[in-house]
Amino acid sequence: AQSVAQPEDQVNVAEGNPLTVKCTYSVSGNPYLFWYVQYPNRGLQFLLKYITGDNLVKGSYGFEAEFNKSQTSFHLKKPSALVSDSALYFCAVRPGSGNTGKLIFGQGTTLQVKP
Amino acid sequence: DTAVSQTPKYLVTQMGNDKSIKCEQNLGHDTMYWYKQDSKKFLKIMFSYNNKELIINETVPNRFSPKSPDKAHLNLHINSLELGDSAVYFCASSQSIGTGLYGYTFGSGTRLTVV
Repeated sequence: AQSVAQPEDQVNVAEGNPLTVKCTYSVSGNPYLFWYVQYPNRGLQFLLKYITGDNLVKGSYGFEAEFNKSQTSFHLKKPSALVSDSALYFCAVRPGSGNTGKLIFGQGTTLQVKP
Repeated sequence: DTAVSQTPKYLVTQMGNDKSIKCEQNLGHDTMYWYKQDSKKFLKIMFSYNNKELIINETVPNRFSPKSPDKAHLNLHINSLELGDSAVYFCASSQSIGTGLYGYTFGSGTRLTVV
C-alpha cells in the first residue's frame, strides 16, 4: 500500500535553533513530494516541492527539504526556528505511476517553537 | 481575492439532515478535490473532478455526492448526516490532474458538526 509516514506527532524546539520534521514515504514510481503547513482554523498552505533535480529544495519562509531516494525520506528543515513557525506540518506525495492527481498525506507533525 | 473559497465555514446540524458545502476557485484550475480531515488531523481524499469529470471516488459512502456544474465549482452534498461525519472538509484545486508542478491550493475548510 502506498503511504506517507511522519513518525513524530510533535516536535519541540527553542527559537533560534535548527528544526527538522521527518517524513518517509512508500509509493510506486518516482514520486513528487510536498510539504504543507496548516495554521489553526486555516487551510493548508504550500511550502515547497520536489519533482526532480537537486535533492535540496528551498521553499517559503526559509524552509528547505532534502530528498533522499535511498532512504525514501523527505525531511523538512529550517536553520533557525521562529515562534511564528509553530503550526501543523504535513508531508504529501503524489505517486509516480497511475496519475490521478491524488496526494497522499502523512498524519501531520505539530511544531512547537518556544521563545 | 480568495483563490479557493468554501461556504459555509461552520455548519452545525442534527443527525439525519441533508446539507451541502460549496466550493469555488477563481484560479482557472482544471482539477478540484474534496478532502476530509478527521479529529486526529488526518487528511484523506474523498473525490476529485477534472473539467467536471469524476476522477477519484475514494470509497466514500453513497450519502456523499459531489457535483461539479463547471470546472470552477465543486459542491459536496451529504444526505442523512451521521455523527461520524463530523470533521473539517477541505476543498482544493490544482492546475491540472498532474499536480506535480504546482501542487494544490486549499480552501480554508468547513467545520461540520453533527449533533
